[in-house]
Amino acid sequence: KAGVTQTPRYLIKTRGQQVTLSCSPISGHRSVSWYQQTPGQGLQFLFEYFSETQRNKGNFPGRFSGRQFSNSRSEMNVSTLELGDSALYLCASSRTSAGGYNEQFFGPGTRLTVL
Amino acid sequence: AQSVTQLGSHVSVSEGALVLLRCNYSSSVPPYLFWYVQYPNQGLQLLLKYTSAATLVKGINGFEAEFKKSETSFHLTKPSAHMSDAAEYFCAVSVTGGGNKLTFGTGTQLKVEL
Repeated sequence: KAGVTQTPRYLIKTRGQQVTLSCSPISGHRSVSWYQQTPGQGLQFLFEYFSETQRNKGNFPGRFSGRQFSNSRSEMNVSTLELGDSALYLCASSRTSAGGYNEQFFGPGTRLTVL
Repeated sequence: AQSVTQLGSHVSVSEGALVLLRCNYSSSVPPYLFWYVQYPNQGLQLLLKYTSAATLVKGINGFEAEFKKSETSFHLTKPSAHMSDAAEYFCAVSVTGGGNKLTFGTGTQLKVEL
């Protein structure tokens, strides 16, 4: 069974640009969550999508947005990039979004560098 | 709201020695607790989880953790460290009704020396 895939793996952008990252969950998984990992702030929850609906949102500005398609693939978008957006963006998928325990499987991440 | 505190951002042990990585949590409702490991340039891999069943949880690669409600702790241990255990370890918490949102600790970098 294929794991969670994220594309691209590495990305370099300049300030003010926008970027779209993609995540393909494990087959049969309907929930996709996104996390940002930086040396300063650690791992922070961005948002979760389930059945094409945003179920949960972290404390990030509106420049960070996402969506989920009917095949459960998800994209996240960051507009007007800032230097501080440089991070490893991790995607995780799980079967459901109910309750507090749903084993999540993480992808390898997309390393975004903003110059 | 829930939170996790990991004591010690860097831990160094000798190969063959006991590994102890500390995690304390705060949650107003019964938590679900997790330990994840991250190797360089990779995503997170689940080591073990506590989901209100047995308080002593065994995971992969010889790791285990004990949930102690009275101490609000969930420390990760391994009797004998191996060079391949060198990685960053994250403790995380989620709660019922919280969806799939994980709140992570700041991580502990484990170094294993010969």
